[in-house]
Amino acid sequence: QKEVEQNSGPLSVPEGAIASLNCTYSDRGSQSFFWYRQYSGKSPELIMSIYSNGDKEDGRFTAQLNKASQYVSLLIRDSQPSDSATYLCAVNIYSNYQLIWGAGTKLIIKP
Amino acid sequence: DAGVIQSPRHEVTEMGQEVTLRCKPISGHNSLFWYRQTMMRGLELLIYFNNNVPIDDSGMPEDRFSAKMPNASFSTLKIQPSEPRDSAVYFCASSPTRQETQYFGPGTRLLVL
Repeated sequence: QKEVEQNSGPLSVPEGAIASLNCTYSDRGSQSFFWYRQYSGKSPELIMSIYSNGDKEDGRFTAQLNKASQYVSLLIRDSQPSDSATYLCAVNIYSNYQLIWGAGTKLIIKP
Repeated sequence: DAGVIQSPRHEVTEMGQEVTLRCKPISGHNSLFWYRQTMMRGLELLIYFNNNVPIDDSGMPEDRFSAKMPNASFSTLKIQPSEPRDSAVYFCASSPTRQETQYFGPGTRLLVL
């Protein structure tokens, strides 16, 4: 059983719409959650981190965490073609500063 | 801040040859991670160092892989002998003391023929 799961996609969203990316995790003791963006041929870069239940907003990005249901989401408002990338969810499970990574969701924003 | 530096950026070699990948973490970061990424398996953690000491090497595929961190500013990942199935992008990442946010280098794209 995978510890961090994401739908691989691709998820196709029209420009200007809201893109919703989801991630579930298996360990109820997880404390830290991260969303990374990876453009094709590039390295992952951090978009947002979230540690508490609820929403965290940063510009067009909102991370949502629900520990009871063991999922974390990333919403991208007013999607732009430049948002087209693979989005990786990462979770700290072992409390030793290692991250467990999902397989990533490929997002395509159609102009 | 120069970010995480990796070399070489691209490596093409023949099966059986030794390959050495290099990483310079961000100055002041005390944790260093080596990852391998393929389409089939995604991002896999190979080994994790903290304060230059290997903490978890359970992801190292087999004895052909070895990693060292002789000081806080340099690490190597060596594959000997290399095989075609080792073809992948190898990333190095570092993180500051007691923080989980990891900062990735540009990666080394390895092709073993």
